[in-house]
Amino acid sequence: NAGVTQTPKFQVLKTGQSMTLQCAQDMNHEYMSWYRQDPGMGLRLIHYSVGAGITDQGEVPNGYNVSRSTTEDFPLRLLSAAPSQTSVYFCASSYGLAAAKNIQYFGAGTRLSVL
Amino acid sequence: LAKTTQPISMDSYEGQEVNITCSHNNIATNDYITWYQQFPSQGPRFIIQGYKTKVTNEVASLFIPADRKSSTLSLPRVSLSDTAVYYCLVGSRMDSSYKLIFGSGTRLLVRP
Repeated sequence: NAGVTQTPKFQVLKTGQSMTLQCAQDMNHEYMSWYRQDPGMGLRLIHYSVGAGITDQGEVPNGYNVSRSTTEDFPLRLLSAAPSQTSVYFCASSYGLAAAKNIQYFGAGTRLSVL
Repeated sequence: LAKTTQPISMDSYEGQEVNITCSHNNIATNDYITWYQQFPSQGPRFIIQGYKTKVTNEVASLFIPADRKSSTLSLPRVSLSDTAVYYCLVGSRMDSSYKLIFGSGTRLLVRP
């Protein structure tokens, strides 16, 4: 029972490079989301999806793109990495967004450093 | 933007009961209150969820008053391994959409 799987676990980028953080879940969850967590801080919502083909912005969407072509996968793309994007990125999924269905299961995180 | 408010930090000793209160004045009528625990270098983990009155599971209790503008997570007889950050989460209206936005959390330190 894998749950939410994030790859890679660690990544170092140079300023201006692009990359994709992968997130996959095997629980047939409709809702998926991406958060970032800076050192000593709380989680901030980047983007989320309520189902295949449907995405929306969170609190801090600038510099990131998402798409949801399947129920299982929700990749996060950094278009042109900046040092301010150095953070730990968490992917989460739940049965839905509505109350009582929105218990989220989180992945182990991707630790990203942008030099 | 309706967010939650929690104490930044709390200290306790092993064996004590710990109560962490969260304020959510603008909670929607049909919204639930969900609590998560996060250890360093790990993703948050679901603890408990409730709508009103009291909910209890094997690890915690959640108390919600009738007006639902706050909630209290109760951890009975804490141990060193309960040292973590605890977040309460309710939905927030932002840009005409309902979103799951975390507050700052409460950093609990359990001392021997």
